[in-house]
Amino acid sequence: DAGVIQSPRHEVTEMGQEVTLRCKPISGHNSLFWYRQTMMRGLELLIYFNNNVPIDDSGMPEDRFSAKMPNASFSTLKIQPSEPRDSAVYFCASSLVGLVDEQYFGPGTRLTVT
Amino acid sequence: AQSVTQLGSHVSVSEGALVLLRCNYSSSVPPYLFWYVQYPNQGLQLLLKYTSAATLVKGINGFEAEFKKSETSFHLTKPSAHMSDAAEYFCASTGSSASKIIFGSGTRLSIRP
Repeated sequence: DAGVIQSPRHEVTEMGQEVTLRCKPISGHNSLFWYRQTMMRGLELLIYFNNNVPIDDSGMPEDRFSAKMPNASFSTLKIQPSEPRDSAVYFCASSLVGLVDEQYFGPGTRLTVT
Repeated sequence: AQSVTQLGSHVSVSEGALVLLRCNYSSSVPPYLFWYVQYPNQGLQLLLKYTSAATLVKGINGFEAEFKKSETSFHLTKPSAHMSDAAEYFCASTGSSASKIIFGSGTRLSIRP
């Protein structure tokens, strides 16, 4: 398996623009997670899905952030409109079953909002 | 509130020396505990996981961790450091209900030749 795939690897955008990050989890994994990593706040869980259903989105910082998982092999994290404070590395991870199982992380998307 | 504390944001040891990275968790019930490693410009990778089956957990790359309920600790150790161990290490806990996961702030491990 190719592992968790994220695209793009780098994104530079201007404040106010819409940003869409994409993730393909490992085939057969039932849980998918979106994280944000910054120097100031460390690694934060934004949202996670079980069987394509959002289970906990309490980590989503505000309404500008939204995530979808239309099928078992694809998820998106959207920021609209983007702000400079959204600059971070965003990771997608997947696991066989939920939070207690090993999570496999993608390489991340480095987002810079100017 | 659930928390994970990693003492020391940066640890430096000599090659061949003992590695000790500290992690303390807060939970009234033994949680699931994890150690992950992150190499530069990569995602996290699982080193080991505690699930209550055994208090001493062995992981990959020669690392192990011991769960101590009385101290609410889950420190990571390796008897002999290798240059390839230089990375960022994160401790994580699911908490008692396994409905959340909290990561510690990370410890950057440097290895001196």
